[in-house]
Amino acid sequence: NAGVTQTPKFRVLKTGQSMTLLCAQDMNHEYMYWYRQDPGMGLRLIHYSVGEGTTAKGEVPDGYNVSRLKKQNFLLGLESAAPSQTSVYFCASSYVPGGHEQYFGPGTRLTVT
Amino acid sequence: TQLLEQSPQFLSIQEGENLTVYCNSSSVFSSLQWYRQEPGEGPVLLVTVVTGGEVKKLKRLTFQFGDARKDSSLHITAAQPGDTGLYLCAGGGQGGSEKLVFGKGTKLTVNP
Repeated sequence: NAGVTQTPKFRVLKTGQSMTLLCAQDMNHEYMYWYRQDPGMGLRLIHYSVGEGTTAKGEVPDGYNVSRLKKQNFLLGLESAAPSQTSVYFCASSYVPGGHEQYFGPGTRLTVT
Repeated sequence: TQLLEQSPQFLSIQEGENLTVYCNSSSVFSSLQWYRQEPGEGPVLLVTVVTGGEVKKLKRLTFQFGDARKDSSLHITAAQPGDTGLYLCAGGGQGGSEKLVFGKGTKLTVNP
């Protein structure tokens, strides 16, 4: 039982490049979330999903897109990376609505130059 | 708008001291959670409190949910270097939402 896994762990992009971050969970959780964590800003919700095939915007969705084609996977895409998207990205999953007991992945550290 | 205010933002203490971290809001939450995050890792859930006035203990850690379910505190007794980390509070279920609202965290350093 791996819990929540994220790939890649580290990535450096040039401005304008695109990439996809992959999150996978093996706990059969319905709810999945993408956050970014920046110094002094805490964890901010980018997008989330309440079930397979559904997505919704969080607090800071601009510049990001997501897809939840399979229940266990939640993808975060950056179509044209900007330096402001330099951050640590965390995926989380939950089995109870209202956000109870979210389980986090180890994070992806992204640098955009 | 930051719905959950944590204080203090930074705390550096000596091994064996006691400490309290606070998490305050003007909003009511149906649950409140505390997470600990170590450098280079994701947050790990410590506890969930759901009832106003609830107190939960986890070894040397005591968590309390305010009577009005708007605030919480985390008290650590006889802190150890292994307690070092970023402590995050998060409120859930506000207005029936599926989302959590996180505080900005308290960075705790326990010196040997």
